[in-house]
Formats: sequence, C-alpha cells, structure tokens
Amino acid sequence: NAGVTQTPKFRILKIGQSMTLQCAQDMNHNYMYWYRQDPGMGLKLIYYSVGAGITDKGEVPNGYNVSRSTTEDFPLRLELAAPSQTSVYFCASRALRESGNTIYFGEGSWLTVV
Amino acid sequence: AQKITQTQPGMFVQEKEAVTLDCTYDTSDQSYGLFWYKQPSSGEMIFLIYQGSYDEQNATEGRYSLNFQKARKSANLVISASQLGDSAMYFCAMREGTHKVFGAGTILRVKS
Repeated sequence: NAGVTQTPKFRILKIGQSMTLQCAQDMNHNYMYWYRQDPGMGLKLIYYSVGAGITDKGEVPNGYNVSRSTTEDFPLRLELAAPSQTSVYFCASRALRESGNTIYFGEGSWLTVV
Repeated sequence: AQKITQTQPGMFVQEKEAVTLDCTYDTSDQSYGLFWYKQPSSGEMIFLIYQGSYDEQNATEGRYSLNFQKARKSANLVISASQLGDSAMYFCAMREGTHKVFGAGTILRVKS
C-alpha cells in the first residue's frame, strides 16, 4: 500500500514565490490534514478536511490555501512564500471511524524559503 | 490554553532501563483519544500507542505502555528496556472532534 504520499520531499523557494505541496492517499480516508513542524517544535495544524469539497482552518492557516476536490488529494498551496514558512510539512489522513490507530502520516516535505 | 503539555523538552535514559515521558491534556469532552507518536531523525511520524477515554485498562503495545490517569488528565508513555533505537522525538496527541492536537514533543536520548 502506498498510504499517504507527499511531494516534493525537499524544496527551496525564494521569497514571494508560490508552490503547491501535493498529498495523496489511497486508503479512501475521509479526513486529511496538513501540519507544519518547525525545528525542535511540535506539530501545528494548518488546514484539515473532513471530506471532498470540505476544508477548514486549523491553528496556523495564514499564508496557505487548500482544496479537496477528490477524496484522494489534498494539496497545500503557498501563494507568497515567506521565510517564516520554512518548515517541515506533514500530510496525514485517517478513516471516518477511527479505531484509535488509523492516522497515517506522509514522510514529510522539507521546505526552505530564502 | 495549551491542550497538550509535555513538560520535558529532553530526557536521557540508560540503555535497558525504563523511561517515562510525561503528557497532560486539557479537554471538556467526555469522549476523546490520546496517542503517542515517535519521530526519529529521519522525520517520519510513527504511531506507537492509543488510549481511549473510556478504556478502563491502560494501553500496552510491546515495550510501550500508557499510564492513563483520567482524573489527573495525564497520559504518560512508559518505555521499558530502552534501546538505542528509541532515541527520537516523542509526541503526545489528543483527538478533539475531527482532528488531533499535538504537544511540543520530548527528545529522548538513550545512552549506551
């Protein structure tokens, strides 16, 4: 099983550039999430989605946008990259009915804004 | 207010000894779930253990056990017989509604 796939794994952006972090899951999960993890820090929720067509803001949504046109895909868009967005980004997904251990994380995307 | 508090930014433990990583949480929900994840230096997040708020027994998964004290709102992770490969960042998390909130993490270093 592919699970949760994130691309790219590494990226360097210049200030003001835009990019999209791709996230796809093949487990037919309803819930999908984007987290960021700053160096030495925990995870902070950026956006989440409870199903296709539905997205909502998390704790730190400023500077980001998401869309959920299909169950499988949940891309994260950075419109005007800023140095404060240098971070590691994790996409995650879980089933609608969670037994407790069914959240799956992608491998992470390392983004540096210079 | 912090939902999940991990008061230990870093911990050292001697190989083969047990270690407890602290986690306290804050919620007004009656139904919630508590999780622990391991993040090695390679960066991926690895699920370790889960405790539901209505579970009467503490969760155990191999060398991992969760010391769940509901009245104190604590969900400490106990790792028995530490191994060098246990050196990593450990995150406590709580399911709230549709998503999880994470603590700041505790770095564990196992010494040989």
